Amino acid sequence: AQRVTQPEKLLSVFKGAPVELKCNYSYSGSPELFWYVQYSRQRLQLLLRHISRESIKGFTADLNKGETSFHLKKPFAQEEDSAMYYCALSGQIGETSGSRLTFGEGTQLTVNP
Amino acid sequence: NAGVTQTPKFQVLKTGQSMTLQCAQDMNHNSMYWYRQDPGMGLRLIYYSASEGTTDKGEVPNGYNVSRLNKREFSLRLESAAPSQTSVYFCASRATPYYGYTFGSGTRLTVV
Repeated sequence: AQRVTQPEKLLSVFKGAPVELKCNYSYSGSPELFWYVQYSRQRLQLLLRHISRESIKGFTADLNKGETSFHLKKPFAQEEDSAMYYCALSGQIGETSGSRLTFGEGTQLTVNP
Repeated sequence: NAGVTQTPKFQVLKTGQSMTLQCAQDMNHNSMYWYRQDPGMGLRLIYYSASEGTTDKGEVPNGYNVSRLNKREFSLRLESAAPSQTSVYFCASRATPYYGYTFGSGTRLTVV
C-alpha cells in the first residue's frame, strides 16, 4: 500500500521567511513524487516532480529515500505563495497502483505581510 | 488548448436524485481519474481508468459508477445522491506514470 503524510494542516510564516512543507511517504518500491498547489478555489496545478529536479517559483524539493521524505522548501516566502499544497505519490510503472496518485491531506500555507 | 473540462461547475441535488458529472480531455491522455476533495481529508480517489476500455475502483467507490466512453471522456454517476456525497469533485488525466496529472476545474456538489 502507498501512503502520504503531511503532518502540518496549517502553516503560517511571514513574508521573506524560509518555509518548509513536510511530506513523508510509505511505499515499498521506488516512488514517483510530486507537489501540487491549489490557489483559493482553483484547480490543482503541478508544482514539482522529483524526477525532473526542477525549481518552480523558487520552490525545491529533494527526495530522501532514507527518511522517506519529500519536503518542499523555499528560502524566501512571498504573499502570493499562500495556497493549499499537496504532496502526492505514484507507484512503479507496471504495477496496478502505478497508474494512480495517492495524495496527502494537504498543508494550508499562509504568508503574512 | 482546453486541457481537462468538467461540467457542471456547481450543482445542488436533493437526497435520492441522480446525476452524471462529465469530464473530457483533449490531450490524448491514456489515464483518467475521479477524485473527491473534502476539508481535512485531501483528495481521495473514487474511480480511475488506466486506459480506454478499463475502469477500476479507488479508495471510496461506494455510491458511484463510472463510464469511460472513449479515450477523451470519463463520466461519474451518482445513482442516488446522499448528503455524505457533498464535496468538490475533480477529474484528472495523465499521459504516463512519469508525469503528473492535469486537473479539471472541479464540480462543487451539494446534496441536501
